[in-house]
Amino acid sequence: DAGVIQSPRHEVTEMGQEVTLRCKPISGHDYLFWYRQTMMRGLELLIYFNNNVPIDDSGMPEDRFSAKMPNASFSTLKIQPSEPRDSAVYFCASSAALAVETQYFGPGTRLLVL
Amino acid sequence: AQKITQTQPGMFVQEKEAVTLDCTYDTSDQSYGLFWYKQPSSGEMIFLIYQGSYDEQNATEGRYSLNFQKARKSANLVISASQLGDSAMYFCAMREGLRAGGTSYGKLTFGQGTILTVHP
Repeated sequence: DAGVIQSPRHEVTEMGQEVTLRCKPISGHDYLFWYRQTMMRGLELLIYFNNNVPIDDSGMPEDRFSAKMPNASFSTLKIQPSEPRDSAVYFCASSAALAVETQYFGPGTRLLVL
Repeated sequence: AQKITQTQPGMFVQEKEAVTLDCTYDTSDQSYGLFWYKQPSSGEMIFLIYQGSYDEQNATEGRYSLNFQKARKSANLVISASQLGDSAMYFCAMREGLRAGGTSYGKLTFGQGTILTVHP
């Protein structure tokens, strides 16, 4: 059974460019989460979806960040324009339910903005 | 205030010995969940073990067990018979319960992590 799939695994871009990160959750999971991990701030939740609807985006750092989930099997996190301080590892996670189920993480996308 | 506190930035253990990684948490909710994840140097986040606040028994998963002391708000991870492959960063996380009018339900809050090194 495939786990959470993220692409690309690594991304190097220049400041000002648009970056799009992609995630495919585990089939049947209703919840999808985007996290960011940095040395300074650790792991932070950016946004999460339930049945493709954004529920809580209070962790999204600023308007340059946006996330969509057009269907149950695909989500994107977009940064436009990107800045060097956006350099981090971005994780996508999914879970079958919120109350009792574990969140399973994808392998992450390592983003470097020069 | 920190919701999840891991006071040990780094821990060392001899192979085949047991090790305890500390985690304390802060919540006013009655219903919550506690998780431990492992992050090896390759970067992925691997789920290890889960403890619900209403679970009376400590959770166990193979060599992993969670020493849950609700009154002390601690959820320490015990790894028995350490192996070289256990060397990694370990994160404690909490999922808080439902609050009226709030959106914190379901969000995982992570501690800063503990780097475990297993020596041969």
